Amino acid sequence: QQQVKQSPQSLIVQKGGIPIINCAYENTAFDYFPWYQQFPGKGPALLIAIRPDVSEKKEGRFTISFNKSAKQFSLHIMDSQPGDSATYFCAARSYTSGTYKYIFGTGTRLKVLA
Amino acid sequence: DAGVTQSPTHLIKTRGQQVTLRCSPKSGHDTVSWYQQALGQGPQFIFQYYEEEERQRGNFPDRFSGHQFPNYSSELNVNALLLGDSALYLCASSLGLAGQETQYFGPGTRLLVL
Repeated sequence: QQQVKQSPQSLIVQKGGIPIINCAYENTAFDYFPWYQQFPGKGPALLIAIRPDVSEKKEGRFTISFNKSAKQFSLHIMDSQPGDSATYFCAARSYTSGTYKYIFGTGTRLKVLA
Repeated sequence: DAGVTQSPTHLIKTRGQQVTLRCSPKSGHDTVSWYQQALGQGPQFIFQYYEEEERQRGNFPDRFSGHQFPNYSSELNVNALLLGDSALYLCASSLGLAGQETQYFGPGTRLLVL
């Protein structure tokens, strides 16, 4: 119940395409859903995040769609660029015992072809 | 405004040895969480420190221990190293335990156990 399932494992798109990465969860106690971008040899960097009372959030070329009833959320990258080639992780936060903990998906390796 | 910093960047140890990794949180942050990221996997939560106490712990053995100092910096100690401990160790900082603000990651320490 603490898992976050992420798909696909890898994705290749042409420049200008719209890659979509999906995540699903079971624990309805999760209260915050961030996406992180990670380049090789670097730590994950926060990209965009959403709370479950919102169905969509846009920041620049990145959009999160959230379906609370289906317990699914997805990341869309508009007008993708070769510089977007990285590994993307979804995460979910739970608040228990007076503090919070993040559970991460297994990651999606995105390659954007020039 | 300095972000999360970690040292060292890389480390090579042999089985059975002990290692200490260090983390300085982002300015203004007082909560530090440690994660282990195996190659090709998402970060796995090890534990979280706030007010110099361990507040929550993931599914890691007692060989993994930590400490937080009055200036909010933190150390991760791993005893009796195993080959399987080879991974990228990430530190993330945030403000408080209520989770009003998201966490930010450092660049990580790459540990190789031979």
